[in-house]
Amino acid sequence: GAVVSQHPSWVICKSGTSVKIECRSLDFQATTMFWYRQFPKQSLMLMATSNEGSKATYEQGVEKDKFLINHASLTLSTLTVTSAHPEDSSFYICSAQGRTSGNNEQFFGPGTRLTVL
Amino acid sequence: TQLLEQSPQFLSIQEGENLTVYCNSSSVFSSLQWYRQEPGEGPVLLVTVVTGGEVKKLKRLTFQFGDARKDSSLHITAAQPGDTGLYLCAGQGAQKLVFGQGTRLTINP
Repeated sequence: GAVVSQHPSWVICKSGTSVKIECRSLDFQATTMFWYRQFPKQSLMLMATSNEGSKATYEQGVEKDKFLINHASLTLSTLTVTSAHPEDSSFYICSAQGRTSGNNEQFFGPGTRLTVL
Repeated sequence: TQLLEQSPQFLSIQEGENLTVYCNSSSVFSSLQWYRQEPGEGPVLLVTVVTGGEVKKLKRLTFQFGDARKDSSLHITAAQPGDTGLYLCAGQGAQKLVFGQGTRLTINP
């Protein structure tokens, strides 16, 4: 149980285009989803927290107009990188937290590798 | 702002040796988690420690949570090449996880 999937697993796009990444909780209802970014050889950096049906809460320094987050259902959250640039190239990881998650446990997805040319 | 200092950030040792990774903070966490991450994949939870002073064992891995719940350690006994990977500690804050910088561990045959 507690499986989180991400789609796509990798994507290459041209500079200036927008890219959407999906995060799904497959076997539980995710009341809260988190989006992280990880640059090579670095740790995970939290970008934003989203609760189902509410606006996302962004971490300091993360542009909410550039990284659009939608958490429209209890099993799906999407991250859209708008007008992507090469510096947005990174590994994006989502996690999901259910209503009954013990110790606020987050279940992580496998990540999406974004490369912007 | 809660911070977790993880050390060392890089460690390369020979197979069979022992090692300890540390995670320290000035903040108290309700729980602390250790993850292992392979290249190109998401982090996988190894253990969650909740109680101050708690010790948990997972085969050759021993995890300890400090009495004050501000620090934790991961000790690996007789390291094997299969232990190679990125190890991350993460403290549970009020509403989010606070990650350490990670320890990139390489076990040489």
